Amino acid sequence: GENVEQHPSTLSVQEGDSAVIKCTYSDSASNYFPWYKQELGKRPQLIIDIRSNVGEKKDQRIAVTLNKTAKHFSLHITETQPEDSAVYFCATIYSGAGSYQLTFGKGTKLSVIP
Amino acid sequence: DGGITQSPKYLFRKEGQNVTLSCEQNLNHDAMYWYRQDPGQGLRLIYYSQIVNDFQKGDIAEGYSVSREKKESFPLTVTSAQKNPTAFYLCASMSTRGRIEQFFGPGTRLTVL
Repeated sequence: GENVEQHPSTLSVQEGDSAVIKCTYSDSASNYFPWYKQELGKRPQLIIDIRSNVGEKKDQRIAVTLNKTAKHFSLHITETQPEDSAVYFCATIYSGAGSYQLTFGKGTKLSVIP
Repeated sequence: DGGITQSPKYLFRKEGQNVTLSCEQNLNHDAMYWYRQDPGQGLRLIYYSQIVNDFQKGDIAEGYSVSREKKESFPLTVTSAQKNPTAFYLCASMSTRGRIEQFFGPGTRLTVL
């Protein structure tokens, strides 16, 4: 089955600096790569996603890059703010034969220091 | 993420008892999922269902059971066979028409006393 590795497990940055979280995956059939943000005690929320036919996608301060050859993808947050503090999860989705299976990384706890 | 409800929010049970966690969605999604979340472990898949009356085991199905009698409902039973059931349980449904997106419920925190 799919295996998703996420690094680092914790990350502290000064407000205004950038944060980068990286994930690698094993199944080359995975074709969709979402990122979720989970604040303490709340449900995960989708913040950005990328399909396998796209190398980079940006949404304001958040960007995701994908390297299918190397099987890794990254989340970039620029100009970090205290409200960016949360746990971030990467995931891969395999969609085929009417089935959709997600595999999550173990998460990165991001702390933005004011 | 609106449209998926889980109840109760907090649940306590005595060791050896079965307990059922509710999950309902009104998003008309075919696919539904149950995850378990432990500190530092991310989200681990317990069971999933792609269509009514069909479901599949995930990575950690032992000690759990599910049913999918209606499209809107996907209850999870934590049985006494689950050795370490204390955790945060998240239900989710997935939109597969057009954009692929998984929506999560608010979660149920189960504590075994």
